[in-house]
Amino acid sequence: DTGVSQDPRHKITKRGQNVTFRCDPISEHNRLYWYRQTLGQGPEFLTYFQNEAQLEKSRLLSDRFSAERPKGSFSTLEIQRTEQGDSAMYLCASSHESGLATSTDTQYFGPGTRLTVL
Amino acid sequence: QKEVEQDPGPLSVPEGAIVSLNCTYSNSAFQYFMWYRQYSRKGPELLMYTYSSGNKEDGRFTAQVDKSSKYISLFIRDSQPSDSATYLCAMSSGGSYIPTFGRGTSLIVHP
Repeated sequence: DTGVSQDPRHKITKRGQNVTFRCDPISEHNRLYWYRQTLGQGPEFLTYFQNEAQLEKSRLLSDRFSAERPKGSFSTLEIQRTEQGDSAMYLCASSHESGLATSTDTQYFGPGTRLTVL
Repeated sequence: QKEVEQDPGPLSVPEGAIVSLNCTYSNSAFQYFMWYRQYSRKGPELLMYTYSSGNKEDGRFTAQVDKSSKYISLFIRDSQPSDSATYLCAMSSGGSYIPTFGRGTSLIVHP
């Protein structure tokens, strides 16, 4: 396991269709994050999990978006009824939170899934 | 005004130049400061991580944080064409694990 992996790397879909992305974090990492990045912008936080619990969601995560992390391992991000404005790079990151005061929660990113909604 | 401001560039320099990349921020609660490098169509890669004010050096890279001015910098010495990428600053407060990113500065190092 050399890093965070995401699948698919590219997805083209028609408006109104549902899409699902998968993220496999670094194996010992207990935290998993989803971000969205549009052209010329930095990543914007969507949601994060500690183990299987979804602890925080951004207001960017509309009710068409849902994320899961069953068993605290891989995670999926589903977008229902896609819109053209959903076109972006969807990034996953993972980190290990040790619970120590010195924990830095350094996040390691995957290569991203580029979504194009036609 | 965004919480983190970063000039998008592009910044074009000749090989061997010293590069200075900067971000300003408005949230005085930020304590953790990071620099990521992102190649085209790839995910961000962590370069430097700094806690609070001060300098940190790692090879050709030096990160500086000036909390009094709410200003952070990344210096790249002896820049190489392989350094051509987008550099993202990111920062977070002690109570949050969610970093706020700048929009990134595009750097081009030409031979």
